[in-house]
Amino acid sequence: DAGVTQSPTHLIKTRGQQVTLRCSPKSGHDTVSWYQQALGQGPQFIFQYYEEEERQRGNFPDRFSGHQFPNYSSELNVNALLLGDSALYLCASSLGRQLNTEAFFGQGTRLTVV
Amino acid sequence: ILNVEQSPQSLHVQEGDSTNFTCSFPSSNFYALHWYRWETAKSPEALFVMTLNGDEKKKGRISATLNTKEGYSYLYIKGSQPEDSATYLCAFMSGYNKLIFGAGTRLAVHP
Repeated sequence: DAGVTQSPTHLIKTRGQQVTLRCSPKSGHDTVSWYQQALGQGPQFIFQYYEEEERQRGNFPDRFSGHQFPNYSSELNVNALLLGDSALYLCASSLGRQLNTEAFFGQGTRLTVV
Repeated sequence: ILNVEQSPQSLHVQEGDSTNFTCSFPSSNFYALHWYRWETAKSPEALFVMTLNGDEKKKGRISATLNTKEGYSYLYIKGSQPEDSATYLCAFMSGYNKLIFGAGTRLAVHP
């Protein structure tokens, strides 16, 4: 049973560029959440997708957008990259209709903006 | 603004020592409190999901307690081993599986 997989593992982009990160959830999971972890901080919630809709959003600008596909996989897009967007981006999957269940995380994508 | 605080930020102990960490969270709109262990170069791995005031959970040498009325949870590790070295994250769930994380406690267990 494959867990949560993210791609790519590492990425270097130039300021002003756009980036797309990908996530495949754990088999059977229908909800995908994205988190940003900056150095020295805990993961910060970006948004969550369920049934191909954005269900919740954290305090991130509109430059951060996402998508969920019918197979529940998800993409995180960041436009007009800033140096401050350099971080580890984590994807987590869970069962949308079951509250209070554990989330399963991928290993993350390390984004460096230069 | 919902805030989750963890203390200490880091901890160095000797193999065999017992240790504990604290997680403080908002006492209103509580759905659940999660604990995760995050080893270097791996994914965060769930230890416990706690939902009821007074909950106590145990997994091997690791246990956790929950007080939702005062907004805190303790994680205990009995007889620490080098393989327990990791960052321990707690996360407050405010609804629909949205997790609000603390900054974590980094534990180093020395042989």
